[in-house]
Amino acid sequence: ETGVTQTPRHLVMGMTNKKSLKCEQHLGHNAMYWYKQSAKKPLELMFVYSLEERVENNSVPSRFSPECPNSSHLFLHLHTLQPEDSALYLCASSQDIGELRFFGPGTRLTVL
Amino acid sequence: AQTVTQSQPEMSVQEAETVTLSCTYDTSESDYYLFWYKQPPSRQMILVIRQEAYKQQNATENRFSVNFQKAAKSFSLKISDSQLGDAAMYFCAYRSGGGSQGNLIFGKGTKLSVKP
Repeated sequence: ETGVTQTPRHLVMGMTNKKSLKCEQHLGHNAMYWYKQSAKKPLELMFVYSLEERVENNSVPSRFSPECPNSSHLFLHLHTLQPEDSALYLCASSQDIGELRFFGPGTRLTVL
Repeated sequence: AQTVTQSQPEMSVQEAETVTLSCTYDTSESDYYLFWYKQPPSRQMILVIRQEAYKQQNATENRFSVNFQKAAKSFSLKISDSQLGDAAMYFCAYRSGGGSQGNLIFGKGTKLSVKP
């Protein structure tokens, strides 16, 4: 285990549902990330938080809403998703001066 | 924009043999980092090895080593004495020297199978 946990591990939701993904790290890192991993496509960076402030947003649709209440927790709130949003969502964390070494196990999301 | 290309969707190697996974990238920057990540089936992605572009010496981590050819923009991963536990998806990734730690650009990955 890398010290980054994600819940739930699997999620099935309808297009009208609202759900949230949770990521937690107790490694003392001050930066956290959301990545999307779709089949046959490279991993895509969605959001970056450093010291609980969002520093990057790679043009992600507004139906994805991140929240970072403190340096140990990161959420991804989902609403009115589309079937093409089905993917593995990975959380990661790092220290500013270190490389991105720690990923969570991911949440496998299926949108019906 | 930077791109990372892994031209081998799948590779196979016999246990105890050596395998090389290919990665090429495109960038106009001179300061950057390159990484190889391993993602075993249903397990967490982990960093295998990293290379700073300004270093001429190829990085090594135990059985894992890279062949970094800066002029050719090539960054291949060699796995020696392959083990069954090496079976996984392997991703090559690029990061700008001035970019945030997590802003990695990934290739599509190579699925490595290890035959007993």
